[in-house]
Amino acid sequence: ILNVEQSPQSLHVQEGDSTNFTCSFPSSNFYALHWYRWETAKSPEALFVMTLNGDEKKKGRISATLNTKEGYSYLYIKGSQPEDSATYLCAPNYGGSQGNLIFGKGTKLSVKP
Amino acid sequence: DGGITQSPKYLFRKEGQNVTLSCEQNLNHDAMYWYRQDPGQGLRLIYYSQIVNDFQKGDIAEGYSVSREKKESFPLTVTSAQKNPTAFYLCASSPQRTGSYEQYFGPGTRLTVT
Repeated sequence: ILNVEQSPQSLHVQEGDSTNFTCSFPSSNFYALHWYRWETAKSPEALFVMTLNGDEKKKGRISATLNTKEGYSYLYIKGSQPEDSATYLCAPNYGGSQGNLIFGKGTKLSVKP
Repeated sequence: DGGITQSPKYLFRKEGQNVTLSCEQNLNHDAMYWYRQDPGQGLRLIYYSQIVNDFQKGDIAEGYSVSREKKESFPLTVTSAQKNPTAFYLCASSPQRTGSYEQYFGPGTRLTVT
């Protein structure tokens, strides 16, 4: 069973703080890594899909990096806003393009105004 | 608006009854998925379909069945054989079933079986 670890489990920050969290995953047979944002009472929404070692992607104040050799990805949020409050899920897949996503348990971020 | 719809939002059933959860998409996506979420766990894949009239078991398919008669629709039946059916169920789709495509999720159905 492949183990995908996300840390921390939860995080409370003040508005304006920058923050980051980690997704750790087995590196063997890695194909791609997905990040999703899941706000309460809404559907999970894709943030990034990354495949190459050293990939960096950015969407507004949110960015992500990928290290496939050591099996981790960081998600950064610059200047957190209350609307960033959500659970952030990472999901690698393995075994080529047809592998299923393996979801971590998520990091729950709360941003206080 | 393009997207994925799931109905109903909440569903209550008595133990021993089969129940079908609806999932419809108008994104023209080939691939569709069903996931289950339990407290303290990551999303787990129940079934997926790459194309009409084809579907495959995911990691936790026991006690579930699906059909894919139309591209837009991928209903999930929770049968009485599923030992712990109470959970939150999410449907998703992607243009194709490859890991480089992001998945689009519906709003989910919370099923409670008593």
